[in-house]
Amino acid sequence: EVLLLESGGGLVQPGGSLRLSCAASGFTFSNYVMGWVRQAPGKGLEWVSGISVSGGSADYADSVKGRFSISRDNSKKILYLQMNSLRAEDTAVYYCARGGVLNGMDVWGQGTTVTVSS
Amino acid sequence: QSVLTQPPSVSAAPGQKVTISCSGSSSNIGNNYVSWYQQFPGTAPKLLIYKNNGRPSGIPDRFSGSKSGTSATLGITGLQTGDEADYYCGTRDSSLSVWVFGGGTKLTVL
Repeated sequence: EVLLLESGGGLVQPGGSLRLSCAASGFTFSNYVMGWVRQAPGKGLEWVSGISVSGGSADYADSVKGRFSISRDNSKKILYLQMNSLRAEDTAVYYCARGGVLNGMDVWGQGTTVTVSS
Repeated sequence: QSVLTQPPSVSAAPGQKVTISCSGSSSNIGNNYVSWYQQFPGTAPKLLIYKNNGRPSGIPDRFSGSKSGTSATLGITGLQTGDEADYYCGTRDSSLSVWVFGGGTKLTVL
């Protein structure tokens, strides 16, 4: 079964850091573009970041550029999102997703909740 | 303000057909494939349509997608109460080098 399982969310103070992980199983992880999408409470989907199959190229939404860093370990089949200088507006459910524009984001994790509050 | 524009809500009766529009520009919809996602409250989004009009395995043919110029449309026929959900379009914006989603459309089946 193809699965993505996020972890690492939690409550953090403004200015703090968190690292999210997304463990993949059931498919050849190194063959797929991966990304992170978030959803603030009561709001729509917001793309956060995407990374190439090799990890050599990454893109970021303007709202997180310079604060968040995406990476992947193809040998461990794990996608990461390092989040620094967190703000209240980063509070959201964070989903990892497989795929990009060619075939859509066809597999999603269940999400992990990040709450930034003092 | 989303880069892609969707109506906030649409509604129709069971058994009827509904369309959801997604309007963009030449840098996103005009030059990239569009995908559509269905999301029920408290759950992860699910891919409904990819490459403008492709349906992943398991998605019924009641769901269809189309694209013309800088706009895309999701169609749902034979509406069921179980189709009540939020629907999002998405694509890549080549100028901004980012992925963009529409603001989402809430479907109500009356």
